[in-house]
Amino acid sequence: DQQVKQNSPSLSVQEGRISILNCDYTNSMFDYFLWYKKYPAEGPTFLISISSIKDKNEDGRFTVFLNKSAKHLSLHIVPSQPGDSAVYFCAASGDSGGSNYKLTFGKGTLLTVNP
Amino acid sequence: NAGVMQNPRHLVRRRGQEARLRCSPMKGHSHVYWYRQLPEEGLKFMVYLQKENIIDESGMPKERFSAEFPKEGPSILRIQQVVRGDSAAYFCASSPPGGSGTDTQYFGPGTRLTVL
Repeated sequence: DQQVKQNSPSLSVQEGRISILNCDYTNSMFDYFLWYKKYPAEGPTFLISISSIKDKNEDGRFTVFLNKSAKHLSLHIVPSQPGDSAVYFCAASGDSGGSNYKLTFGKGTLLTVNP
Repeated sequence: NAGVMQNPRHLVRRRGQEARLRCSPMKGHSHVYWYRQLPEEGLKFMVYLQKENIIDESGMPKERFSAEFPKEGPSILRIQQVVRGDSAAYFCASSPPGGSGTDTQYFGPGTRLTVL
């Protein structure tokens, strides 16, 4: 039973354009959401997060949008750069009796940004 | 500026042997988490430890797997009598002490375990 779903295994965009990565979740107890980026042979690197009390959080070229009613979040990267090419994982937490340490990850989306 | 360190990076074991994976958290961090990533899957939580304490091991398989984080030294994830299904990437993460529960977890590069 996958509680965090990233339905697009891969996404290809042109340099300079917008990349939109999507994530859906099923557990209504989740209240904190994160995006991690992962290069081959490395561990995940934290990118950006959002609490359920917000619907948008922005950090430079990265913006995360949260739609709680739809149980959907998305990561926008503008403008996309070749160095953004990596696997992006959506993660959620909050179903551990109020604690947010237990992250539940999606399967990831491979983003390729073409020069 | 050492991040989370894991060793070995690659580990090959035959069925029935023991695997020991080590994790040194970031300097100043006292919370350690272990995750497992099976092929084509996302990372799955295994265990959360603080110094000398197991806080949550709800993601650990009931048998053959154990974890510790001693007062001195790295955290150890131990898998006894490995089977082929244990082949995976094992990631360790750490976060600072006294956190609110939403502190960012910083991940190590992982140990890729292959069971022959």
